Amino acid sequence: GEDVEQSLFLSVREGDSSVINCTYTDSSSTYLYWYKQEPGAGLQLLTYIFSNMDMKQDQRLTVLLNKKDKHLSLRIADTQTGDSAIYFCAEGENSGGYNKLIFGAGTRLAVHP
Amino acid sequence: NAGVTQTPKFQVLKTGQSMTLQCAQDMNHNSMYWYRQDPGMGLRLIYYSASEGTTDKGEVPNGYNVSRLNKREFSLRLESAAPSQTSVYFCASSDPPRNTEAFFGQGTRLTVV
Repeated sequence: GEDVEQSLFLSVREGDSSVINCTYTDSSSTYLYWYKQEPGAGLQLLTYIFSNMDMKQDQRLTVLLNKKDKHLSLRIADTQTGDSAIYFCAEGENSGGYNKLIFGAGTRLAVHP
Repeated sequence: NAGVTQTPKFQVLKTGQSMTLQCAQDMNHNSMYWYRQDPGMGLRLIYYSASEGTTDKGEVPNGYNVSRLNKREFSLRLESAAPSQTSVYFCASSDPPRNTEAFFGQGTRLTVV
């Protein structure tokens, strides 16, 4: 079945870049997502990428997709303390009527001064 | 905009008790979902509803029932709660194929003792 894996913890210094990695198994996924969860809150969509794209940039966020290796990464430039959160990678099973998400376990990003 | 609203935010149940988790969205989305989040794991899909009047099982449906009451509301019922159902429950909605973004509620933290 489908599986999404990501490392569980990342610690970076404020101002550095953060890179969070993810691997997935379902090559038929149309979309791949990055969600952010702050303590006690629901999930917030950060960005997503179509499976036929290699890269997507959105302000401080850069998503890279390697379809051959089924590897997805999220780079956060100039990481700030407000970026401390759990980041979830997810692949989407989409049809016209629904989009079911399969999530990784989440990477806890800690930003220290 | 309220987005996706879940009630209650916290609940403690005794084993064998029943309860219904409520979810409502005000975005006129067709699709709604229930996920559970357990420590060290990503969110897992319990049930989803692609449109009003339809419901389907997700990855972990055992021990749960759902009702899509109308387009706005999607409830999750635990008929006989078990300690293994201690989790944080998230409701989400989306409107594919126009928009693949899933919007999440704030979550319900359920403890079964």
